[in-house]
Amino acid sequence: GENVEQHPSTLSVQEGDSAVIKCTYSDSASNYFPWYKQELGKGPQLIIDIRSNVGEKKDQRIAVTLNKTAKHFSLHITETQPEDSAVYFCAATNSGGYQKVTFGTGTKLQVIP
Amino acid sequence: NAGVTQTPKFQVLKTGQSMTLQCAQDMNHEYMSWYRQDPGMGLRLIHYSVGAGITDQGEVPNGYNVSRSTTEDFPLRLLSAAPSQTSVYFCASSKTGVSSYEQYFGPGTRLTVT
Repeated sequence: GENVEQHPSTLSVQEGDSAVIKCTYSDSASNYFPWYKQELGKGPQLIIDIRSNVGEKKDQRIAVTLNKTAKHFSLHITETQPEDSAVYFCAATNSGGYQKVTFGTGTKLQVIP
Repeated sequence: NAGVTQTPKFQVLKTGQSMTLQCAQDMNHEYMSWYRQDPGMGLRLIHYSVGAGITDQGEVPNGYNVSRSTTEDFPLRLLSAAPSQTSVYFCASSKTGVSSYEQYFGPGTRLTVT
């Protein structure tokens, strides 16, 4: 089955700096890579996703890159703000039948004002 | 829309007790899933359903049962609680088809088994 590794497990940045979280996956059939943000005491919420036919996707201060050959993808947050502090999960899945998603182990991001 | 709702928010059980975690969604989503979240382990799939009357096992199904009698509801049953089932449980739903893979998560149930 799919295995997703995520690094780092914790990340502290100064407000205004950039943050990068990296993930690798093992199943070459995976073709959809979502990123979820989990605020304290809440369920995860999708913030951005990318499909395997795209190399990069941006949404305001958030961007995701995908390297299919190396089987890794990354989340980039620019101009970080205190409200970006949360746990971020990467995930991988393929389009066969049920959307069986495999999640990474999470990155706790702390943005220091 | 309320989205995905879960009850209760917190629960303490003694070893051997049984209980049902409730999950409901009002978005007419066909797919529903149960995950458990443990420190350092991310979200692990327990059971899932692709529609009313259809369920299947995920990565960590032992000790849990599910049923799906309606599109809206997907309860998770703990048959005989064990301390290893202490965790935060999340229910999620998503649309069918290749046009959308986003999963919508509920607020979670924090379960402690003593």
